[in-house]
Amino acid sequence: GAVVSQHPSWVICKSGTSVKIECRSLDFQATTMFWYRQFPKQSLMLMATSNEGSKATYEQGVEKDKFLINHASLTLSTLTVTSAHPEDSSFYICSARGPEGGRNSPLHFGNGTRLTVT
Amino acid sequence: AQKITQTQPGMFVQEKEAVTLDCTYDTSDPSYGLFWYKQPSSGEMIFLIYQGSYDQQNATEGRYSLNFQKARKSANLVISASQLGDSAMYFCAMRGSTGRRALTFGSGTRLQVQP
Repeated sequence: GAVVSQHPSWVICKSGTSVKIECRSLDFQATTMFWYRQFPKQSLMLMATSNEGSKATYEQGVEKDKFLINHASLTLSTLTVTSAHPEDSSFYICSARGPEGGRNSPLHFGNGTRLTVT
Repeated sequence: AQKITQTQPGMFVQEKEAVTLDCTYDTSDPSYGLFWYKQPSSGEMIFLIYQGSYDQQNATEGRYSLNFQKARKSANLVISASQLGDSAMYFCAMRGSTGRRALTFGSGTRLQVQP
């Protein structure tokens, strides 16, 4: 149980175009999902918290107009990188808190999306 | 604010031996949870083990155990009987009791198991 599916696994796009990444909770409902970014050989940095039916909460330094997050249903959150530039190239990974609930419930992660902007 | 520190960028261990990966943390939350994740080269994040700040006993999960020393604010991961498949990045993470429900991650330790 508690499977999170992320699509696509990798994408290459040209500078100036937009890319949408989907994150789905397959066997549970996720009112909250988290989007992380990971640069090569670095840790995971929280970008934003996606809330079903309301606006996302962005971390300091993350441009909300560049990284558009939509959480329209209890099982789907999307991250759109608008007007992508080479510096946006990174590994983006989504996660959701499992249905177990409670303080000790781990985050379940998608397999990540490797974005390369040329 | 929460902070996780992993001071070992890389570690080597011989197959079948035990290895300890260090993690120290800092938080003002009275209640918190500590997590360890494994990230193979393929990129997925695999949950390994959890320790609650009020848990009386150290957590264990198969070959994984957590050496939790609350006074020292450390939560070291011990992997026993290392296997070649254990080679990966290992991240220590924390969730506090207040505020965000996301996890804050350390910088990670790359473990290489040698035959």
